[in-house]
Amino acid sequence: DVKVTQSSRYLVKRTGEKVFLECVQDMDHENMFWYRQDPGLGLRLIYFSYDVKMKEKGDIPEGYSVSREKKERFSLILESASTNQTSMYLCASSFPSNYGYTFGSGTRLTVV
Amino acid sequence: GQQLNQSPQSMFIQEGEDVSMNCTSSSIFNTWLWYKQDPGEGPVLLIALYKAGELTSNGRLTAQFGITRKDSFLNISASIPSDVGIYFCAGSHNNNDMRFGAGTRLTVKP
Repeated sequence: DVKVTQSSRYLVKRTGEKVFLECVQDMDHENMFWYRQDPGLGLRLIYFSYDVKMKEKGDIPEGYSVSREKKERFSLILESASTNQTSMYLCASSFPSNYGYTFGSGTRLTVV
Repeated sequence: GQQLNQSPQSMFIQEGEDVSMNCTSSSIFNTWLWYKQDPGEGPVLLIALYKAGELTSNGRLTAQFGITRKDSFLNISASIPSDVGIYFCAGSHNNNDMRFGAGTRLTVKP
């Protein structure tokens, strides 16, 4: 069963902390994505990557950075967590020619 | 980024009823997709549409890619309790540029 695995289902962090959200896929997908999901706003793209060490900004990259040192792993970094970054974070992956993204189960982050 | 307008925001229906939801955009997409998110899980792809006018079914689900390429709808026939969840439309020009609607939250009463 192919999978996108996010390291934590729930996280609580303090304002100002540096936060790492990890995502690993076992499908040899080139493309990986980070979205945040907020009620009434749907899924908004933060960053994506289509190759190792490559990254592109999405619609809302401010306050975030990413790292892709290996094909299977895509990390989202909150440099200094703020309360407005409290949200559900979803990682996804796909082949370049395939529009069917595979999503992880999400990480619900609360910043206090 | 481009906005997708998805409606309705939520629906409360009786088991056995049919459901219809739709998505519109101010710009053209090459691909429309519909995902379902179960509680506590990530979205799962239901149907992908690649051509204007295309009508595609997946069991009790039917989706259409609008002729203008600016809209799509999803119908669910004879709803059952496990249809509960959030349904998202998504439009894309290419694989790296997918945009999602805000979602339709479906509640099915037994």
